[in-house]
Amino acid sequence: KQEVTQIPAALSVPEGENLVLNCSFTDSAIYNLQWFRQDPGKGLTSLLLIQSSQREQTSGRLNASLDKSSGRSTLYIAASQPGDSATYLCAVILSGTASKLTFGTGTRLQVTL
Amino acid sequence: EPEVTQTPSHQVTQMGQEVILRCVPISNHLYFYWYRQILGQKVEFLVSFYNNEISEKSEIFDDQFSVERPDGSNFTLKIRSTKLEDSAMYFCASSGGASGRVNIQYFGAGTRLSVL
Repeated sequence: KQEVTQIPAALSVPEGENLVLNCSFTDSAIYNLQWFRQDPGKGLTSLLLIQSSQREQTSGRLNASLDKSSGRSTLYIAASQPGDSATYLCAVILSGTASKLTFGTGTRLQVTL
Repeated sequence: EPEVTQTPSHQVTQMGQEVILRCVPISNHLYFYWYRQILGQKVEFLVSFYNNEISEKSEIFDDQFSVERPDGSNFTLKIRSTKLEDSAMYFCASSGGASGRVNIQYFGAGTRLSVL
């Protein structure tokens, strides 16, 4: 059974700092990995999707990397802003399954002024 | 920008009652999903739906649950007889393309279900 873990569970950084969020998964036979942002009481906003054949994806100040063989992904946020404060979730789709996402536990990020 | 819309945003019901949660996926998408998130816990997959049938479901999705696409735009989740433990945020998602697995899943804002 696929297990997805995110470390740290919570993180507080001052504005302007670069930071890295970690995601690990137990079954490396994934089809793709998706990073989401969740604001309190709100839905999930897709940030980046990495196919299993890719090593990284970039969108603005966000960069996600994938090391499938070691079962790890990182989300790098450059020059953090208070508006980046949210919970960040990673989720994977296993190869051979239809399309269900298996979610991680999330990292709650607070960017302070 | 197209988005997935869910109604209602909050549903309160009595234990044992039937509820229907409604979703309007993005119009050209072919794959539809329901997930739920119990307060303080992970987002969990419930069911995926393609070509008018369930393509995958989780252990949570038992006989009390059903999904339907009654017309060309709506996608519903029905819980036949709600239990206290069904209280959660329910998210609808959709993805597009001929092979939906390769595409991003877009989520709605969710329906908070409170079972009393």
